[in-house]
Amino acid sequence: AQKVTQAQTEISVVEKEDVTLDCVYETRDTTYYLFWYKQPPSGELVFLIRRNSFDEQNEISGRYSWNFQKSTSSFNFTITASQVVDSAVYFCALRGDAGNMLTFGGGTRLMVKP
Amino acid sequence: DAMVIQNPRYQVTQFGKPVTLSCSQTLNHNVMYWYQQKSSQAPKLLFHYYDKDFNNEADTPDNFQSRRPNTSFCFLDIRSPGLGDAAMYLCATSRVRGQGLSVLTFGAGSRLTVL
Repeated sequence: AQKVTQAQTEISVVEKEDVTLDCVYETRDTTYYLFWYKQPPSGELVFLIRRNSFDEQNEISGRYSWNFQKSTSSFNFTITASQVVDSAVYFCALRGDAGNMLTFGGGTRLMVKP
Repeated sequence: DAMVIQNPRYQVTQFGKPVTLSCSQTLNHNVMYWYQQKSSQAPKLLFHYYDKDFNNEADTPDNFQSRRPNTSFCFLDIRSPGLGDAAMYLCATSRVRGQGLSVLTFGAGSRLTVL
């Protein structure tokens, strides 16, 4: 069975603060794939990043960065210098090698205040 | 722009009155998915089509049905909506089915209210 846990249900920060969204996963597969999606108030889930289990290299894309650590089964997401437009619900998701479908975490609602 | 379009964005129905939600895509993707997302919860997969092959999740109630008349369109039919069916319904597509790094492209969702 697969499971994704996002322990932070809601985070509130002030603009320009850095914020890290935690994601911990469980899977028995040796090969698996991790994703982050953003869901702004408009409702559409927007793909942010994907990683396979053999690629532990961290990634930076502008103000976004991701820290994948297999040793702790975590795939955390950091926003540097947060902006009001970053306010959204962020979902971490997992797809195992044996299964076809995504398993989503419960989501973290990020509120960035001016 | 290629995209996934859902209609209507907002649907209000009465308890027990059938409702149909539609999804269209211009991506020419083989797979179309329907997710149910209740307030403050993660999206939950109801079913998906791989081309014309329908795949129902084990815990999807019989009250929910789907049709895919062609590659571009997929419909979600709720035969007798109950109060517990009030949710956002998300349509998504992918080029291939669940392979590794394949990414789902989501529509903006249809929010269903049941009175």
